[in-house]
Amino acid sequence: DQQVKQNSPSLSVQEGRISILNCDYTNSMFDYFLWYKKYPAEGPTFLISISSIKDKNEDGRFTVFLNKSAKHLSLHIVPSQPGDSAVYFCAALGVSGNTPLVFGKGTRLSVIA
Amino acid sequence: GAVVSQHPSWVICKSGTSVKIECRSLDFQATTMFWYRQFPKQSLMLMATSNEGSKATYEQGVEKDKFLINHASLTLSTLTVTSAHPEDSSFYICSASGQGARETQYFGPGTRLLVL
Repeated sequence: DQQVKQNSPSLSVQEGRISILNCDYTNSMFDYFLWYKKYPAEGPTFLISISSIKDKNEDGRFTVFLNKSAKHLSLHIVPSQPGDSAVYFCAALGVSGNTPLVFGKGTRLSVIA
Repeated sequence: GAVVSQHPSWVICKSGTSVKIECRSLDFQATTMFWYRQFPKQSLMLMATSNEGSKATYEQGVEKDKFLINHASLTLSTLTVTSAHPEDSSFYICSASGQGARETQYFGPGTRLLVL
């Protein structure tokens, strides 16, 4: 049973436009959420995170939004750049509940020049 | 960010042999290290969590006698795949965190294992 779901396996966006990657979770014990970027044959690189006490966190071109009632989070990248092309993983863990880090299956983002 | 290395990055071996993968934290002391496995087009799945100086905690369904984990120092953890079989072929990734902060995990580059 997938506790963290990324329902879009791939996404194509024009350079300069906004990329929106979505993630849903089912475990109400999760209280900390992270986004990772991954290139082929490399380990994930941390991008941005958000605690459940917030609904938005921004870092440069990356913004993560959290809707706790819908158990949904999204990563916005604006403006999108060709170098952003990679697989993006959503991950969640329960800090207070001591659950391990659980990853979604990832969404492959292609930014077209 | 912190640097975590893995060695080797690629390994091809015959069925029945054992393979050791090293994970090192290069610029910080990792009190906790995690081992993940990723099959093609699948998410990273946590295999086990190890704390320095103690036995690893394995996730459900992961055979601890097959995947031996040693975390003998604050900068090194090893995963040994014993008697590897073709179905063990996968991408193995370690991560490390300091001070036991699981939300701050730094990932290694991964090791691709192919068992013939």
